[in-house]
Amino acid sequence: GAVVSQHPSRVICKSGTSVKIECRSLDFQATTMFWYRQFPKQSLMLMATSNEGSKATYEQGVEKDKFLINHASLTLSTLTVTSAHPEDSSFYICSALPFDRETQYFGPGTRLLVL
Amino acid sequence: LAKTTQPISMDSYEGQEVNITCSHNNIATNDYITWYQQFPSQGPRFIIQGYKTKVTNEVASLFIPADRKSSTLSLPRVSLSDTAVYYCLVAPDTGRRALTFGSGTRLQVQP
Repeated sequence: GAVVSQHPSRVICKSGTSVKIECRSLDFQATTMFWYRQFPKQSLMLMATSNEGSKATYEQGVEKDKFLINHASLTLSTLTVTSAHPEDSSFYICSALPFDRETQYFGPGTRLLVL
Repeated sequence: LAKTTQPISMDSYEGQEVNITCSHNNIATNDYITWYQQFPSQGPRFIIQGYKTKVTNEVASLFIPADRKSSTLSLPRVSLSDTAVYYCLVAPDTGRRALTFGSGTRLQVQP
């Protein structure tokens, strides 16, 4: 149990386009999902906290208008990278918190490459 | 949040026991200690979590001394597939808040 999926697993896009990444909790409901970003050889950095039915909370330095987060249901959160640029190329990872547990479960990540 | 300090890297051989120690001198009373494992291009995977003394599961053991200022993740008889980055995290309310990842320990297991 406690499986989190992400789609797509990897995506290549042109500079200036937008990319949507989905994070789904497959066998549990998650009122809270987190989005992290990881650059090569670095650790995970929290981008935002997504709560179902409310606006996401962004970390300092993360542009909310560039990284749009929607948490429309208890099993799905989406991250849209708008007007992507090469510096947005990174590994994006989500985690989901079951409402009845104390442990976060991470998705497999999405590799974004912006050309 | 309590800051954690881990060795940047460790090397081991197959079949050996590996102990990775994490320092968290400023741990708070309501903080839990959690270890995650991350393989390249994958999301972190929960390994073990504890508050005090010793916790053991099918994957690892976690030793926490009485002062809780450090903890040791013990991996018995490692194999090549245990080569990964291991993160020690300290956070209140176990895992219900966003996690702050440190630099982690890169474990390389040699044949």
